[in-house]
Amino acid sequence: AQSVTQPDIHITVSEGASLELRCNYSYGATPYLFWYVQSPGQGLQLLLKYFSGDTLVQGIKGFEAEFKRSQSSFNLRKHTVHWSDAAEYFCAVGAGNTDKLIFGTGTRLQVFP
Amino acid sequence: DTGVSQDPRHKITKRGQNVTFRCDPISEHNRLYWYRQTLGQGPEFLTYFQNEAQLEKSRLLSDRFSAERPKGSFSTLEIQRTEQGDSAMYLCASSPGGSGEQFFGPGTRLTVL
Repeated sequence: AQSVTQPDIHITVSEGASLELRCNYSYGATPYLFWYVQSPGQGLQLLLKYFSGDTLVQGIKGFEAEFKRSQSSFNLRKHTVHWSDAAEYFCAVGAGNTDKLIFGTGTRLQVFP
Repeated sequence: DTGVSQDPRHKITKRGQNVTFRCDPISEHNRLYWYRQTLGQGPEFLTYFQNEAQLEKSRLLSDRFSAERPKGSFSTLEIQRTEQGDSAMYLCASSPGGSGEQFFGPGTRLTVL
């Protein structure tokens, strides 16, 4: 069965530091992979997506993610974190003919000044 | 604003009452999804429409839940005889199809007393 695991429930970083959020997936075929961000009271916003091709994908707000098939991972990174990045981050895989999304449980990012 | 809209944003109801939520997708998006998100969890898929046809329903969708998408435009999600366990955020998303990303609405937060 398809599944997504985000091992880190809560991460705290200082503003200006780098960031890596982990995501592991289980899916039989070549996955469509996504990272979404959810701020309090806001809907989910797509940060980036991987369908095929270059395994390092660039997204909005300075985020990037790297697809590693051998590790079944799709980790999200940012070189310099800003206070406005504090939010909940969800990794997801698109599954089946309907492309329904299967989400991980999320990682809450807290940013200290 | 031409994004996905949902109405109402908040709904408080008493156990046993029926509630109905509405989702207006981005025009020309033929795919529409409903998800449910409980506290501390990622969104979980409920059901999927392609145009007016409901093509997939999750096992999470009990007989008390029904969804429609008349004429392939807006969609409604009805919960009959609400239970406290139905308290959650109900998210709607639309997609242009293929491997396109899903665009999420702000959600409807349901509280069942």
